[in-house]
Amino acid sequence: GNSVTQMEGPVTLSEEAFLTINCTYTATGYPSLFWYVQYPGEGLQLLLKATKADDKGSNKGFEATYRKETTSFHLEKGSVQVSDSAVYFCAAITQGGSEKLVFGKGMKLTVNP
Amino acid sequence: AAGVIQSPRHLIKEKRETATLKCYPIPRHDTVYWYQQGPGQDPQFLISFYEKMQSDKGSIPDRFSAQQFSDYHSELNMSSLELGDSALYFCASSRRTGGRSPLHFGNGTRLTVT
Repeated sequence: GNSVTQMEGPVTLSEEAFLTINCTYTATGYPSLFWYVQYPGEGLQLLLKATKADDKGSNKGFEATYRKETTSFHLEKGSVQVSDSAVYFCAAITQGGSEKLVFGKGMKLTVNP
Repeated sequence: AAGVIQSPRHLIKEKRETATLKCYPIPRHDTVYWYQQGPGQDPQFLISFYEKMQSDKGSIPDRFSAQQFSDYHSELNMSSLELGDSALYFCASSRRTGGRSPLHFGNGTRLTVT
């Protein structure tokens, strides 16, 4: 089955710092990859996605590139804001296989002014 | 745009009671998923339905059951509640027919068992 391993944190950064959250996956076949964000007290929101190798997902200044050779989907943002404080989950789902989305453990990010 | 609707938002039950959580997927989405998220944990898959039939099963206790109705809404029924069932329960929907769409999650139901 699929599995996702990501940095767990928690991580505290200053505003405008560079962010990287590592994520690697193990899957049979070629998974679609996602980053979800969970703001305090809220549900899971899709942040970005990539469905095939070398795809780059981007949204709200965040980016992640599907790297098949390293089975990775690292999340990056060049300049974080206080409003980016949240928990970030990497997730994977395999085409044609079990349809369930598998999550990493999540990483709590706190951005200080 | 319409989102996944879950009700209730909060639910407090006592041990050994029963609870029913409801989920209304995004219109035209044919697949519903249920996840359980304990405090500080990642969401754990419970069960999913595609076109009203169970399509996959995860770590769902035998005390729990779920179904998807003809209007595609889904209900998660939880009996003999235990303290450890206290968690945030998410429903998600997607459209599988014609190519998979990403899972869209509701805001969850926070269940507290006392």
